[in-house]
Amino acid sequence: EAGVAQSPRYKIIEKRQSVAFWCNPISGHATLYWYQQILGQGPKLLIQFQNNGVVDDSQLPKDRFSAERLKGVDSTLKIQPAKLEDSAVYLCASSFWGNPQETQYFGPGTRLLVL
Amino acid sequence: SQKIEQNSEALNIQEGKTATLTCNYTNYSPAYLQWYRQDPGRGPVFLLLIRENEKEKRKERLKVTFDTTLKQSLFHITASQPADSATYLCALGGMTTDSWGKFQFGAGTQVVVTP
Repeated sequence: EAGVAQSPRYKIIEKRQSVAFWCNPISGHATLYWYQQILGQGPKLLIQFQNNGVVDDSQLPKDRFSAERLKGVDSTLKIQPAKLEDSAVYLCASSFWGNPQETQYFGPGTRLLVL
Repeated sequence: SQKIEQNSEALNIQEGKTATLTCNYTNYSPAYLQWYRQDPGRGPVFLLLIRENEKEKRKERLKVTFDTTLKQSLFHITASQPADSATYLCALGGMTTDSWGKFQFGAGTQVVVTP
């Protein structure tokens, strides 16, 4: 079974530029999560999708971050414009239905450095 | 506000000994608690889940306890090996309408097992 795919793996941009990350979850998984992990901290949930609908985006900085999952499969997370404090690893995860008893499967992450 | 605390200092342990990690929480009534392992440059990998009505769970050399009175979970790695060196994250999840499928992660504890 293929795992969660993310690209790119690394990205360096200057502040005020825009950047986009892509995630392809495990086939058949209805729930997709985007997390932000700052160095030395645990993953922080940014947005959770159930199929192509948003379940939770309470911690997404909506003035600069946006995410979509148009066909209920792969997803894109965008930052525009980026700030220095956005430097972090962006992790995508998926689970079968979003039940808290289910395992979340994480991708390798995209490491973003904002200069 | 909800808070999850894990040992911030790295745990250095000799091969063959038992590593014990703690996960304490406040202002939270989780129905489920999960433990993940994270290696450098990679996404977290699920290890164990324990429910609020379970006192203990085991999987091979791993053991997790969950004390809802103390608001604490302990994670044990017995007969530790250098390959167990990683950061271990606890994640708490509820079953209310607002927190369906959403886990809050701790910052993690780094374990270093020396031969």
